[in-house]
Amino acid sequence: GNSVTQMEGPVTLSEEAFLTINCTYTATGYPSLFWYVQYPGEGLQLLLKATKADDKGSNKGFEATYRKETTSFHLEKGSVQVSDSAVYFCALKNYGQNFVFGPGTRLSVLP
Amino acid sequence: DTGVSQDPRHKITKRGQNVTFRCDPISEHNRLYWYRQTLGQGPEFLTYFQNEAQLEKSRLLSDRFSAERPKGSFSTLEIQRTEQGDSAMYLCASSLGGTTRREETQYFGPGTRLLVL
Repeated sequence: GNSVTQMEGPVTLSEEAFLTINCTYTATGYPSLFWYVQYPGEGLQLLLKATKADDKGSNKGFEATYRKETTSFHLEKGSVQVSDSAVYFCALKNYGQNFVFGPGTRLSVLP
Repeated sequence: DTGVSQDPRHKITKRGQNVTFRCDPISEHNRLYWYRQTLGQGPEFLTYFQNEAQLEKSRLLSDRFSAERPKGSFSTLEIQRTEQGDSAMYLCASSLGGTTRREETQYFGPGTRLLVL
């Protein structure tokens, strides 16, 4: 079946540090891959997505590249801000199937 | 910009009671989803509507759970005879038809947090 594994949190960084949150997946075929972010007290928001191998999704300084050879979709940002503190969810969606989310990684950015 | 709204935001109930949650999707969205999220986990799919038709139900959706979307707009999720294991965040999401479900962007509401005592 389909599954998503994310690095365990919490991740604590200082402002302007480089961020990587690892995500690997198991799926048959060619799923779409997503990163969603959940700020405190809010619903999930789409951060970025990629629908085929080697695609790079990007938004608000965050990037992730769909790597089929390593079944990965790692999230990166060059310089994090305090406002990036949130829970980040990696997810996949396959043909005819529903979202499979990872457990989430909590990020705390300290000033 | 009216996003997905859910009501109530919080619900505390006693074991054995029935509860009902409401979701109002983005107005032009014809797909609506319900998810359950427990602490430290990602959302888990419960059920999916295309307009008023309930097209998919997860095995997580026991007989005590029922969802409706009578006019293809708002949806309700009812849990009968609640159990302590039902305590979770219940999320609603909607999306616009016209894209494949594999690539669609789902817009999530803020959720209803249920606590069963």
